[in-house]
Amino acid sequence: QITLKESGPTLVKPTQTLTLTCTFSGFSLSTSGVSVGWIRQPPSRALEWLAVVYWDDDKRYNPSLKSRLTITKDTSRNQVVITVTNMDPVDTATYFCAHNDISVAGAPFDFWGPGALVTVSS
Amino acid sequence: SHVLTQPPSVSVAPGKTARISCGGNNFGSNSVHWYQQRPGQAPVLVIHYNSDRPSGIPERFSGSKSGNTAALTISRVEAGDEADYYCQVWDISSDHPVFGGGTKLTVL
Repeated sequence: QITLKESGPTLVKPTQTLTLTCTFSGFSLSTSGVSVGWIRQPPSRALEWLAVVYWDDDKRYNPSLKSRLTITKDTSRNQVVITVTNMDPVDTATYFCAHNDISVAGAPFDFWGPGALVTVSS
Repeated sequence: SHVLTQPPSVSVAPGKTARISCGGNNFGSNSVHWYQQRPGQAPVLVIHYNSDRPSGIPERFSGSKSGNTAALTISRVEAGDEADYYCQVWDISSDHPVFGGGTKLTVL
């Protein structure tokens, strides 16, 4: 059974760096084809993909946010971490991590964490 | 890059059929996936690879794709189907996923 869960601060101040951790079980990020992505959703707005890290440590970032994002994986601890620098109130959102298996091209995010609401406010 | 266009809202009476469209600027051979998101919950995959249902998803949910338009169809709509629905593709050219703007399904 695949599960994921996001953890991190619920409140950050403008200009600070946000660090969120996705802890997962039921799969290994060392298995060929497996990846974990981060997606966020501002209140009452649409989903926005942020970044993905693959089993081979390849990474992809949303071009519009690339300069502010870093995604890393810790295979031994079954964790994926995303950092977002220079946080702004517009970054207030629920942040989700999700499992993806690209063994089949263009695969969906088939398992999601419950999400973590992060508010940016002074 | 890919842009996916969905109607902001769709309304349907219980027991009727709801159809939610997703327009792409260049679907090509890209597979379309659909997610259901109930208020306060994480998205749930309801259709993958254009028309396949993941395990546990009722047969009332179906998907299709023709040219640059994909559609999610929900038959015999129930009150519990009221949710936001998102389409998604993996943009091969830019090698990243793209989500549609979402459609709020209201069951009258």
